[in-house]
Amino acid sequence: EVQLVESGGGLVTPGGSLRLSCATSEFTFSSYSMTWVRQAPGKGLEWVSSISSSSSYIYYADSVKGRFTISRDNAKDSLYLQMNSLRAEDTAVYYCARDILIFGSSGAFDYWGQGTLVTVSS
Amino acid sequence: EIVMTQSPATLSVSPGERATLSCRASQSIRSNLAWYQLKPGQAPRLLIYGASTRATGIPARFTGSGSGTEFTLTISSLQSEDFAVYYCQQYNNWPPLTFGGGTKVEIK
Repeated sequence: EVQLVESGGGLVTPGGSLRLSCATSEFTFSSYSMTWVRQAPGKGLEWVSSISSSSSYIYYADSVKGRFTISRDNAKDSLYLQMNSLRAEDTAVYYCARDILIFGSSGAFDYWGQGTLVTVSS
Repeated sequence: EIVMTQSPATLSVSPGERATLSCRASQSIRSNLAWYQLKPGQAPRLLIYGASTRATGIPARFTGSGSGTEFTLTISSLQSEDFAVYYCQQYNNWPPLTFGGGTKVEIK
């Protein structure tokens, strides 16, 4: 069964940094584009960042551009999100998700993790 | 940026009844629309992609329809496990990928 497990969330002060990880299993990670999506408390889903299977294409939402960096390690079947200069409005549950297309980037996601909570507060 | 608008925000339905959820795009997205189900503490679940294709393992009571700017998710006979929040998402023109604001389906 395909699994995605996020980790690395926690409480951080404004201006601080955090690195999220998404460990995957039971599929060929290196063949799929991956994405981070977040949900702030009481709010809807917000796309954060996407990375293609070989890291050739990387995209960010304007709200995180210049502060967040997405990366992946295909040898470790893992996805990462380095979050710097964190703000209160970055408080959210962060989900990693797999694209439905193999060797492509459709922008739709068939498997998601359960999320990791990031709280930015002093 | 394509804006996705869902209605209603909350839908009160009795078990066994039909639920109809709407999603509108600010410009044509052809059939590049997905529907997701979210429950607290659980991973989001893909229900529909390509506007009308059910994802693997999704029961036939979930039906997606529409193209262009108007889309509908119909749940033909609500089961207890279907009470959740539903989001539509466009993937026709990105970045950015954009989601609707969600529709909460609650027990009447």
